[in-house]
Amino acid sequence: GQQLNQSPQSMFIQEGEDVSMNCTSSSIFNTWLWYKQDPGEGPVLLIALYKAGELTSNGRLTAQFGITRKDSFLNISASIPSDVGIYFCAGWDSGGGADGLTFGKGTHLIIQP
Amino acid sequence: DVKVTQSSRYLVKRTGEKVFLECVQDMDHENMFWYRQDPGLGLRLIYFSYDVKMKEKGDIPEGYSVSREKKERFSLILESASTNQTSMYLCASTGGGRARGEQFFGPGTRLTVL
Repeated sequence: GQQLNQSPQSMFIQEGEDVSMNCTSSSIFNTWLWYKQDPGEGPVLLIALYKAGELTSNGRLTAQFGITRKDSFLNISASIPSDVGIYFCAGWDSGGGADGLTFGKGTHLIIQP
Repeated sequence: DVKVTQSSRYLVKRTGEKVFLECVQDMDHENMFWYRQDPGLGLRLIYFSYDVKMKEKGDIPEGYSVSREKKERFSLILESASTNQTSMYLCASTGGGRARGEQFFGPGTRLTVL
């Protein structure tokens, strides 16, 4: 299966800083999703985006569905210690059937005290 | 709240053993998935099912089989476990319509094969 190009691979930031990460693909997706995974747990869905250009917020998180439908961005404002974890982007193509979800390899967010 | 549960959080097995990983969802979802997650490789799809008794191969089905006898339950079977199947196994489910892409994950089973 195809992999999305997610960057950065890891981020070391100070508490209170804003965070940005993104995903790009050579294919068009109908839906972009962002997940967060805490150590030893399964990924938890943060935001789902359904329309090109859509900007959606969930608390301090904001995600955008790129106009070309080949990319997406996630921003976290004023980071706090519980934001630590791995963030995954995923793209879904409705024409791909039930197996259409493609994942990035994750951005590992580390917050330094 | 949406709930996907997996039978074990941690499992240690020996090479050659038959291993069953169970997953149950309470959302009446049609579609269920099994992934494995390895450092540097991300999540890779093993098998999925879009209905009872239906199954489809994902990207890495070799060495695995699945069973879906009831809508809420999807089992992953390692017929003869090998050390290269040591991994984190994640089950997910999703409903239909526009939300079909929104997969909900269980907590994962960390399997070690000795």
